[in-house]
Amino acid sequence: AQSVSQHNHHVILSEAASLELGCNYSYGGTVNLFWYVQYPGQHLQLLLKYFSGDPLVKGIKGFEAEFIKSKFSFNLRKPSVQWSDTAEYFCAVRPAGTASKLTFGTGTRLQVTL
Amino acid sequence: DTEVTQTPKHLVMGMTNKKSLKCEQHMGHRAMYWYKQKAKKPPELMFVYSYEKLSINESVPSRFSPECPNSSLLNLHLHALQPEDSALYLCASSQGLLARQNTEAFFGQGTRLTVV
Repeated sequence: AQSVSQHNHHVILSEAASLELGCNYSYGGTVNLFWYVQYPGQHLQLLLKYFSGDPLVKGIKGFEAEFIKSKFSFNLRKPSVQWSDTAEYFCAVRPAGTASKLTFGTGTRLQVTL
Repeated sequence: DTEVTQTPKHLVMGMTNKKSLKCEQHMGHRAMYWYKQKAKKPPELMFVYSYEKLSINESVPSRFSPECPNSSLLNLHLHALQPEDSALYLCASSQGLLARQNTEAFFGQGTRLTVV
C-alpha cells in the first residue's frame, strides 16, 4: 500500500518569505500527485496536480510543485507567502491505473505572520 | 457548478440514534467517496462508489452504511455510533474512477459529527 510523508508538521513564516513544504511517498509504480489546501473552516481545495509530462507543475495562487521521481518527492513551493496563505496543506498520492484510492499525508499547518 | 454539497453541516447524535449524512453533486461525476477526518489528522478513505456500485470499503465498521441511490447522491447512514466516531465526514466526487483518466477529486465542506 502507498504511504505519504509530510515531515513539516507546523511551519511559521513571515509575509514575503519563501515556502517549501516537503512531501515524499512510497509506491513503486506510476502515481498521480496532488496538493490540497484547507483554509480554516473551509473545505479541501485542489492547489495543483501532477499526472504526467513536465515535472514542474504550476497551480493556483502562485504555488508550484516539482515531481522528482528518483527521490519519490513532490515538494510544494511559493516564492513569497501572504498572510492569506495561512492554512493546512495536504499532499496526496494515487497509484495510476487503480481504483481511485487517494492517500493523504498528515498535513502541514502553515502560519504566516504579518 | 463545481460544488459538492453536504448536509447537514453539523450533527449531534446519541449513541442509540439513527441518522444520515447526505452528499450531492451535479458535475456528472461517476465516482463518489466518503472520507473521515479527525482533528489535526489527514482525511482517511472510508468508501468509494463507482457508477452507483460500492467499489472500495476500507474495512469500515457496519455501523456506517453507505448508499448511492443515483449518480448525483451519496448517503452515509449512521447507527449505534460511538463517541470516538466524532469527526468531520467529507464527501468527494471525481469524473472517472481510474487514475489513467487523469481525474481529480472535488471535496464538500463536510459534516461535523459529534456523538454523545
